[in-house]
Amino acid sequence: GDSVTQMEGPVTLSEEAFLTINCTYTATGYPSLFWYVQYPGEGLQLLLKATKADDKGSNKGFEATYRKETTSFHLEKGSVQVSDSAVYFCALTYSGGYQKVTFGIGTKLQVIP
Amino acid sequence: NAGVTQTPKFRVLKTGQSMTLLCAQDMNHEYMYWYRQDPGMGLRLIHYSVGEGTTAKGEVPDGYNVSRLKKQNFLLGLESAAPSQTSVYFCASSRLAGGETQYFGPGTRLLVL
Repeated sequence: GDSVTQMEGPVTLSEEAFLTINCTYTATGYPSLFWYVQYPGEGLQLLLKATKADDKGSNKGFEATYRKETTSFHLEKGSVQVSDSAVYFCALTYSGGYQKVTFGIGTKLQVIP
Repeated sequence: NAGVTQTPKFRVLKTGQSMTLLCAQDMNHEYMYWYRQDPGMGLRLIHYSVGEGTTAKGEVPDGYNVSRLKKQNFLLGLESAAPSQTSVYFCASSRLAGGETQYFGPGTRLLVL
């Protein structure tokens, strides 16, 4: 079956540091890949997505590239802010009809001033 | 436009009690979902609905029932609560299914004593 692997963390960074959160996946087909973010006390919200190999999703300074050859979708940001402190979930699903979304366990990011 | 709302925000139950969690969305989405979030386990799908009047089981349906009598509402019921059902419950909706972004509510924190 499908699976998404990411470290649970917490990842602690100083403000303005470079961020990488690794996400690798195992898929039976050709999924769409997502990063969702969960701020404290809130539900998940979409951060970015990519629907096919070599696509780059970007939003709010975050980027991730769909790498089919390494089955990865790593999240990066050049300079993190305290307001980026949140839990980040990598996920995959497929197009066409109802398709289950497979989520990773979430990586907690703490940014300190 | 409120998006996805959930009531209540927090509830304490005693073992054996019953309750209903309400989810409402105002985006005219066809698909709705109930997840539970537990530490170290990410999100797990309890039940989902592909349209008004339809429901289906997800990964962890035991001990829960759902109903979707109106397109905008998706109810999650616990008939006889158990401590293992202590969790944070998230409702989500999507316009279509496969490959689509899911929109999440703010969550309901449930404690079963």
